[in-house]
Amino acid sequence: AAGVIQSPRHLIKEKRETATLKCYPIPRHDTVYWYQQGPGQDPQFLISFYEKMQSDKGSIPDRFSAQQFSDYHSELNMSSLELGDSALYFCASSRGGAREQYFGPGTRLTVT
Amino acid sequence: GIQVEQSPPDLILQEGANSTLRCNFSDSVNNLQWFHQNPWGQLINLFYIPSGTKQNGRLSATTVATERYSLLYISSSQTTDSGVYFCAVELNRGSTLGRLYFGRGTQLTVWP
Repeated sequence: AAGVIQSPRHLIKEKRETATLKCYPIPRHDTVYWYQQGPGQDPQFLISFYEKMQSDKGSIPDRFSAQQFSDYHSELNMSSLELGDSALYFCASSRGGAREQYFGPGTRLTVT
Repeated sequence: GIQVEQSPPDLILQEGANSTLRCNFSDSVNNLQWFHQNPWGQLINLFYIPSGTKQNGRLSATTVATERYSLLYISSSQTTDSGVYFCAVELNRGSTLGRLYFGRGTQLTVWP
C-alpha cells in the first residue's frame, strides 16, 4: 500500500540558510500535518492543512511557513535556520473525516 | 492543552517476556493512536483505538475512554520490538481538532 512520502530524507544546512521539506500524502488523503521531533523529545505539532487551506497552527516559528498545493502535496519552508531547528520533521496525512493519521518516514534536518 | 502521561518511561525485558504500557490522558479525546518509533526514527502505526480493544498478532490495545486511559500489551517480546512506544491523542474540542498530542514515550529494550 502507498505510504506518505517525504523528501529529502536527510538534509544538512548551515545557520541562516533556508530549507524546504516536501511531503506527498497517501493518495486520496486531503489533510496534511507537520510535526517536529527534537533529539530525545516527543513529536510536536507545527501546522496542518485541509483541502489546501490551513486548518490548525501550533508552535511554529514565524521563520517557518507551509502550504498545501492543488495536488495535495505540502511543503514546509524554513528560513534563517538556527542550531535549535535540528530535528526530525514528520509529515502525516489523513482522509476527510477519518481521524487516523499516517506518518511519513521523516526528514532529518541538521543545522551546523 | 491536554496532558498525556505514559508509564513506565523505561522498560527492559528478556526476549519472550510480556509487558504492559500505559497511557493516561487528562481530557476527552476523539482519537488515540499507538506508535512504535524504531531505531531509525520511523514512526510505525500500531493501533488507532479511540475506544475498545484491538489485537494485531502479539500486540493488543485497550482504551477506556470514560476513564481516560489506554493500555498496550506486548506478548512474547522480541528484540525487534525494541524502540520507543508513543501514545498520541486528539483533543475533543474546537479549533485544535486534528492535531495529535504525544506522550513522552516508553523506551523499550528487549535483550536476547
